Amino acid sequence: DTGVSQNPRHKITKRGQNVTFRCDPISEHNRLYWYRQTLGQGPEFLTYFQNEAQLEKSRLLSDRFSAERPKGSFSTLEIQRTEQGDSAMYLCAGGRDRVADTQYFGPGTRLTVL
Amino acid sequence: AQTVTQSQPEMSVQEAETVTLSCTYDTSENNYYLFWYKQPPSRQMILVIRQEAYKQQNATENRFSVNFQKAAKSFSLKISDSQLGDTAMYFCAPGAGDKIIFGKGTRLHILP
Repeated sequence: DTGVSQNPRHKITKRGQNVTFRCDPISEHNRLYWYRQTLGQGPEFLTYFQNEAQLEKSRLLSDRFSAERPKGSFSTLEIQRTEQGDSAMYLCAGGRDRVADTQYFGPGTRLTVL
Repeated sequence: AQTVTQSQPEMSVQEAETVTLSCTYDTSENNYYLFWYKQPPSRQMILVIRQEAYKQQNATENRFSVNFQKAAKSFSLKISDSQLGDTAMYFCAPGAGDKIIFGKGTRLHILP
């Protein structure tokens, strides 16, 4: 167990609905990363936070996606107007201050858009 | 930009054997790091081993070791005395700047 939790673990929604996922890293994690993983692929970087500041967003993160990390603790990822192509596992990972530092992954939230 | 290629989608070996997983990458960065992460079935991804690119000495962690060939941009993972618990997806991941990029992974099966 890495100490990083994600909720919910599974989410089934209908196309067009909004969904929100939550990630709780451990307190020492200044950085928080979000990834998307589809079947048979490695995780793809979406965005990351240094404390409460969102410092980089991937081109994969369309304007329907928004992420927040208020107070530099937990983070939320919201997808508006979901599409079937959004179906994937959404992973978050916590880490310290450098890309060299170990990332501690949560169990992921599996999203299915019908 | 960074790219990473894992040429072995799936491998199977007998328990106690040694197995090597291949990885090649490309990066324009001078200062970067290389990682192998493991994702067991239905479990969280965890770090297996890390290599700083400026270090010539290959990293080792117990039964896990790497063969880092910087000029060839190759970063293979060797698992010695493989165990059933090593069954997992293994991802090679170069990192530079502020993020790491994951390969597509190698699914490793350890057979009893």
